[in-house]
Amino acid sequence: GAGVSQTPSNKVTEKGKYVELRCDPISGHTALYWYRQSLGQGPEFLIYFQGTGAADDSGLPNDRFFAVRPEGSVSTLKIQRTERGDSAVYLCASSLTLAGMDTQYFGPGTRLTVL
Amino acid sequence: AQKVTQAQTEISVVEKEDVTLDCVYETRDTTYYLFWYKQPPSGELVFLIRRNSFDEQNEISGRYSWNFQKSTSSFNFTITASQVVDSAVYFCALLTQSGGSYIPTFGRGTSLIVHP
Repeated sequence: GAGVSQTPSNKVTEKGKYVELRCDPISGHTALYWYRQSLGQGPEFLIYFQGTGAADDSGLPNDRFFAVRPEGSVSTLKIQRTERGDSAVYLCASSLTLAGMDTQYFGPGTRLTVL
Repeated sequence: AQKVTQAQTEISVVEKEDVTLDCVYETRDTTYYLFWYKQPPSGELVFLIRRNSFDEQNEISGRYSWNFQKSTSSFNFTITASQVVDSAVYFCALLTQSGGSYIPTFGRGTSLIVHP
């Protein structure tokens, strides 16, 4: 389909391990957002990209979290030394531009469980 | 700082009842955008509507309607003649463009349960 895709859909890892979560946005969308959603909460902003550069990463909780988008399309969220508190659903969304009138289209999310 | 409050954690109705989901926002920016998203049990957020701060016209789309009132900083969502398929978590979100940054803020969501 032509929507936002995320892989894997589920990821179980052990505390202290490194994980990578992938987001494939809608073709042609220049803006890409990462969110984290904990149970019973709304999506919490982590970082967004305009093209290849991280336009704002102020939502990343600490330096264990990092995201890249090297070619302005696919993005990878990387979490080092995972902790149990990192368990959540990680959502990706893309929009045509960063303008507020452009709708963000969300992917199905990656459910991360840190044991 | 931006804030979105959805005071109703859960609403339970019987099919065909009308239901209103409340959303109150806070921002000091004069230009901002408001959104509603639906998150069904499958988990994927579905866009419903967006509004910019300069357009206070209410909108109706089928059984859905939205009431935007800047005077009370509210952007409420009404479902008329609710159906079981409307059961989902609904999120209100605020997007501001201050200082060149475009950071969205979501409310905690309202879980709507429609009983047959």
